[in-house]
Amino acid sequence: AQSVTQLDSQVPVFEEAPVELRCNYSSSVSVYLFWYVQYPNQGLQLLLKYLSGSTLVKGINGFEAEFNKSQTSFHLRKPSVHISDTAEYFCAVSDYGNAGNMLTFGGGTRLMVKP
Amino acid sequence: DVKVTQSSRYLVKRTGEKVFLECVQDMDHENMFWYRQDPGLGLRLIYFSYDVKMKEKGDIPEGYSVSREKKERFSLILESASTNQTSMYLCASRTTVNTEAFFGQGTRLTVV
Repeated sequence: AQSVTQLDSQVPVFEEAPVELRCNYSSSVSVYLFWYVQYPNQGLQLLLKYLSGSTLVKGINGFEAEFNKSQTSFHLRKPSVHISDTAEYFCAVSDYGNAGNMLTFGGGTRLMVKP
Repeated sequence: DVKVTQSSRYLVKRTGEKVFLECVQDMDHENMFWYRQDPGLGLRLIYFSYDVKMKEKGDIPEGYSVSREKKERFSLILESASTNQTSMYLCASRTTVNTEAFFGQGTRLTVV
């Protein structure tokens, strides 16, 4: 069975500082990995995804993530955050395993950008 | 643009009522999902469907059932609503395992 752990439930950071949101996953087969963002009172939208190839993936709004197979991690980074990045961020994993087409999410990390 | 539409943004129901949450997608996606979102718990999968009339249990199916009679529509049913089912419910759809899932705006259900 697949599972996703987001190690930090809240991350406070000052504007223009760098940030890393951590995500670890477990799965018995090859995986596809996603980061989604949810702004207040809105649905989820895709930030970026890793399917195959280069382990460094670039997404929207200046975010990027690095897939590390040996550490089963997919951490999200941004070199300089803005107030508008305040939101909840979800890591998700999808695979071809016994669970079929399941898409499993982590518990979420609330990013709070302070002026 | 892909659109996933949930029938209600806010819903208040009484304990014991049978509740239907409807979700419609307009992109001919094979796969549809129902999640509930609770603070600190993230999104937990209730049920998903990979084809018409086909369904699979997710992590927390107890107290829920689903129906998919047409490809574009996926309904979540609370057979007898209870207060612990007060939550935000999110519907999503996607083509296949390595593609982006598109989400509806969510239905905030309160059971009193």
